[in-house]
Amino acid sequence: QKEVEQNSGPLSVPEGAIASLNCTYSDRGSQSFFWYRQYSGKSPELIMSIYSNGDKEDGRFTAQLNKASQYVSLLIRDSQPSDSATYLCAREAAGNKLTFGGGTRVLVKP
Amino acid sequence: ETGVTQTPRHLVMGMTNKKSLKCEQHLGHNAMYWYKQSAKKPLELMFVYNFKEQTENNSVPSRFSPECPNSSHLFLHLHTLQPEDSALYLCASTNQETQYFGPGTRLLVL
Repeated sequence: QKEVEQNSGPLSVPEGAIASLNCTYSDRGSQSFFWYRQYSGKSPELIMSIYSNGDKEDGRFTAQLNKASQYVSLLIRDSQPSDSATYLCAREAAGNKLTFGGGTRVLVKP
Repeated sequence: ETGVTQTPRHLVMGMTNKKSLKCEQHLGHNAMYWYKQSAKKPLELMFVYNFKEQTENNSVPSRFSPECPNSSHLFLHLHTLQPEDSALYLCASTNQETQYFGPGTRLLVL
């Protein structure tokens, strides 16, 4: 079992709709989780971090964490073509080391 | 710009060449990382340095040799690489909360 798993996509979303991305992890001891966005040919940039169960909202983005079920999700509201990218889920291990999932490619169609 | 710079941005090298990748962070962080991102594979952690000391070597072949002369600079020395080492090499630094990535070096080994 992979430490962090994501559906590779592509997830095709109409402009203005909600994109829902999911991520599951295997280590129950994981405490901190991160969502990064990576445009093609570019490096990852942090969108959200989440540490506690529940929802965390930042603008059009909402991260959701459920430690009992070992999943973390990202919702993108009012999706825009500029949101088309690969979204990477990561969990933090001891020593501030991140383990990444393979990423979900999102395509927002006008 | 994240405050983490990498040079060169692109590199083509033969299997007998020796080259070095450079990373510099201007954020006052004390931990720096090397990651490898190959096509269709998750980001892989290679090395971790905390306060200039290597604290993680993720079973990386010896043809990759890191160097951290101070908290702001990180190098990755390359020698006798293989074509399968072609990838995007990303440097990151952290304030112990969030990792910030540099733009990466796109490496092609012929």
